[in-house]
Amino acid sequence: DTEVTQTPKHLVMGMTNKKSLKCEQHMGHRAMYWYKQKAKKPPELMFVYSYEKLSINESVPSRFSPECPNSSLLNLHLHALQPEDSALYLCASSQDRRAYEQYFGPGTRLTVT
Amino acid sequence: GQQVMQIPQYQHVQEGEDFTTYCNSSTTLSNIQWYKQRPGGHPVFLIQLVKSGEVKKQKRLTFQFGEAKKNSSLHITATQTTDVGTYFCAGGTSYGKLTFGQGTILTVHP
Repeated sequence: DTEVTQTPKHLVMGMTNKKSLKCEQHMGHRAMYWYKQKAKKPPELMFVYSYEKLSINESVPSRFSPECPNSSLLNLHLHALQPEDSALYLCASSQDRRAYEQYFGPGTRLTVT
Repeated sequence: GQQVMQIPQYQHVQEGEDFTTYCNSSTTLSNIQWYKQRPGGHPVFLIQLVKSGEVKKQKRLTFQFGEAKKNSSLHITATQTTDVGTYFCAGGTSYGKLTFGQGTILTVHP
């Protein structure tokens, strides 16, 4: 199974809402990533988890809060977002964080109103 | 920080023509990876190059990594309509951070 799953596929939320994005992989990968992608732009790295510990935070605003409950799951908690946060949020995983190919999920299309 | 430049931004070809996209990094890379993203889809891993001067082929696709490990190219021979999408290079570090190039959007006219 080389699949990374993400839920929900689409999410519309107001600026005062709290929501969570979920990501799951069953490939035994020990590194998981959150990326943000705007239209016609490359994915931008947000967070890296390695062995369930946060290892990279690319200076992401605190309204985005990642969580890695176990080696297969990755969450992104959202609170008080701005309209400019509307984007495709991609989760990815790799064998570990050392220079291995990354497997991306289908993404969550987020719209902040 | 590390920057990866990719050109061209857009490429329109007739089916059967060749296509090449180029990447240039501001720093020496640990590795370079290539991804393809179909319209409405997500990035899909194509290949990883690690060694200086490395050349790898996948059917009609040829990938090269420069001698200085700062540049790379992807060449597609005889494009097909199934090749449509955005091709991203991504420079990798030893600690797992990927920096993506801006991508080349390939359109193939039948």
